[in-house]
Amino acid sequence: DTAVSQTPKYLVTQMGNDKSIKCEQNLGHDTMYWYKQDSKKFLKIMFSYNNKELIINETVPNRFSPKSPDKAHLNLHINSLELGDSAVYFCASSRQGTGYEQYFGPGTRLTVT
Amino acid sequence: KQEVTQIPAALSVPEGENLVLNCSFTDSAIYNLQWFRQDPGKGLTSLLLIQSSQREQTSGRLNASLDKSSGRSTLYIAASQPGDSATYLCAVTFQGAQKLVFGQGTRLTINP
Repeated sequence: DTAVSQTPKYLVTQMGNDKSIKCEQNLGHDTMYWYKQDSKKFLKIMFSYNNKELIINETVPNRFSPKSPDKAHLNLHINSLELGDSAVYFCASSRQGTGYEQYFGPGTRLTVT
Repeated sequence: KQEVTQIPAALSVPEGENLVLNCSFTDSAIYNLQWFRQDPGKGLTSLLLIQSSQREQTSGRLNASLDKSSGRSTLYIAASQPGDSATYLCAVTFQGAQKLVFGQGTRLTINP
């Protein structure tokens, strides 16, 4: 069974479109995250939710809007896509608190043309 | 600024050798440090998690050490195999922040 899953795995779209990426975890974790890995393979936190509440928002353009319908799901909606949004987006989850291991999904490769 | 650095960016060694990957961080006030492996086009696989109170963790051929005072961690891989070829990422949870800060990674190639 996949612990942290993301859909879709690949997403190719044109500039200006709106798209969503879905994430689900079946680990019973309270905290979920979105990370972005850029073309240089550098990973950086975007958002973190704890029990459906936003706790981290790392200077991300407001075109990016995370939504957590329940603590097992954290979706990422992106409006008005730009070329610079092309990257791999990773979802992760952990137990609540700072001492716990984070588990990552397989990633979604977004290409904006 | 809280940063994590991994040097070298790439490393190539013959099969069978023992090797060490390095990670340094700018602030000794950390909650934990996590080592990950990333295969090309794949997600991240957690290898080891070291809490701030620990000095090392072991899993199979892998041993990770932590020296908070010097802001360093090492990942030791014993008897390397071609299947160990991947990018290894170090990530730190600094105190006051509930997020991982990643290094740039070391791309490891084990030559048969």
